Amino acid sequence: EIVLTQSPGTLSLSPGERATLSCRASHSVSSHYLAWYQQKPGQPPRLLIYGASSRATGVPDKFSGSGFGTDFTLTINSLEPEDFAVFYCQQYDRTPYTFGQGTRLEMK
Amino acid sequence: EVQVVESGGGLVQPGGSLRLSCAGSGFRFSSYWMAWVRQSPGKGLQWLASIKQDGSEQLYEDSVAGRFTISRDNAENSMFLLMNNLKVEDTAVYFCARQLGSGWPFDSWGQGILVTVSS
Repeated sequence: EIVLTQSPGTLSLSPGERATLSCRASHSVSSHYLAWYQQKPGQPPRLLIYGASSRATGVPDKFSGSGFGTDFTLTINSLEPEDFAVFYCQQYDRTPYTFGQGTRLEMK
Repeated sequence: EVQVVESGGGLVQPGGSLRLSCAGSGFRFSSYWMAWVRQSPGKGLQWLASIKQDGSEQLYEDSVAGRFTISRDNAENSMFLLMNNLKVEDTAVYFCARQLGSGWPFDSWGQGILVTVSS
């Protein structure tokens, strides 16, 4: 099983700042089979990034993903109030598909 | 508009059974893999099972294999999760999600439905 570890657990930033979220995999994730999701309270996760760096339909370009192998990053530029949420990484390279434990992005 | 809607959740006693349903609309249901994912405070997001477009292949997470069965009815644009021998630790919000293929992420999710296993 590929274990995904996200850091930090909580990130406190102000609107206008840039957020950098990390996801580290216990084994290499081949072919960039790594996704990022955003989840707001009472809502399901929303796919933001797939293939480590491709934005899902309708996702603004302020969200970007990078990385390969075992280290991946989600960057969010110019934070706006609606961006604050919990973010999860997920690998779909091999079953069991696994998620990280999440990073809570909170407004300072 | 792509929509997936779960139903069938509720309260069940340990050892009991429950069948969840997922109805898809706004897309060609038979062209997509479909999946179940659950979320609980203790274990975060956990993928449970996925099923191929024609139902010929099912994938399961080890902790539910043999207890849960995923199936689908493309004529009704529906997917199901039959959960047997439920345990307290199965208490969670269960999401239905769409996958373009087995090597793809979950690109559309339902709102989720609560399953509570308690005596």
